Amino acid sequence: DAGVIQSPRHEVTEMGQEVTLRCKPISGHDYLFWYRQTMMRGLELLIYFNNNVPIDDSGMPEDRFSAKMPNASFSTLKIQPSEPRDSAVYFCASSRTVGTEAFFGQGTRLTVV
Amino acid sequence: GDSVTQMEGPVTLSEEAFLTINCTYTATGYPSLFWYVQYPGEGLQLLLKATKADDKGSNKGFEATYRKETTSFHLEKGSVQVSDSAVYFCALSSRGATNKLIFGTGTLLAVQP
Repeated sequence: DAGVIQSPRHEVTEMGQEVTLRCKPISGHDYLFWYRQTMMRGLELLIYFNNNVPIDDSGMPEDRFSAKMPNASFSTLKIQPSEPRDSAVYFCASSRTVGTEAFFGQGTRLTVV
Repeated sequence: GDSVTQMEGPVTLSEEAFLTINCTYTATGYPSLFWYVQYPGEGLQLLLKATKADDKGSNKGFEATYRKETTSFHLEKGSVQVSDSAVYFCALSSRGATNKLIFGTGTLLAVQP
C-alpha cells in the first residue's frame, strides 16, 4: 500500500480564495482524521470520520472550514474564503479501527498571502 | 475530556546520552497509547505503541511502558544518536464514544555530536 496520500504538497494562495486539500486514506481503514499543525498551537484535530460519516467536527475553527468524505477512498478539506491565519501544515491520517495507530500523510503546507 | 501532557522542550543532549521524555494522560476507560516521531519536513510516523496496562512498546532502541497506576507512558532510550533529532509526540486513542486520537504538544529533541 502506498500509505496515506495527500495533495497538493504545497499550496500558496491569496487571501479570499478557495482552497481544497485532498486525501486518499489507506484502503481498509475505517477512520480518517484531519489535523492542522502550527508553531503556536501544535497539532490540532479538526474533524474525523468513521466509515465516511463525520463523527466529531468540534475542532473545525469556523464556518469557513468544511470537510467531506464522499467515499471510503477520498476526503477533502475546504477553506472558503481563506485567510492568512489559516497558513499551516494540514495532515490527513487514517486508522483501521478503534484504538489502533493512525498513519499520516506527508501533509499539505498551506500559505495564504 | 481525554488529554495528553508531555514535557516541554527543547531537550538538548549529547550523543550517547540517556533520554527520557515524560508523558502522562487523562482518559476514561483504557486507551491505547502511542509515541510518534516527526522529522523535519515530514509527517508523523508511529514509533511505538502499547494497548494495555504493563505493556512495553519498543522500536529502534526506544521503549515506553504503559503504567496505569501513574497514568504515564514515558519514552526512554539508553543512547541517543544525532539521527534521533526530531519532534516526539505522545498520543492516546480512546475507546469510548468519541474514539478520538489525541496528541500532546510535542517535544523537540536535539542531539549534538
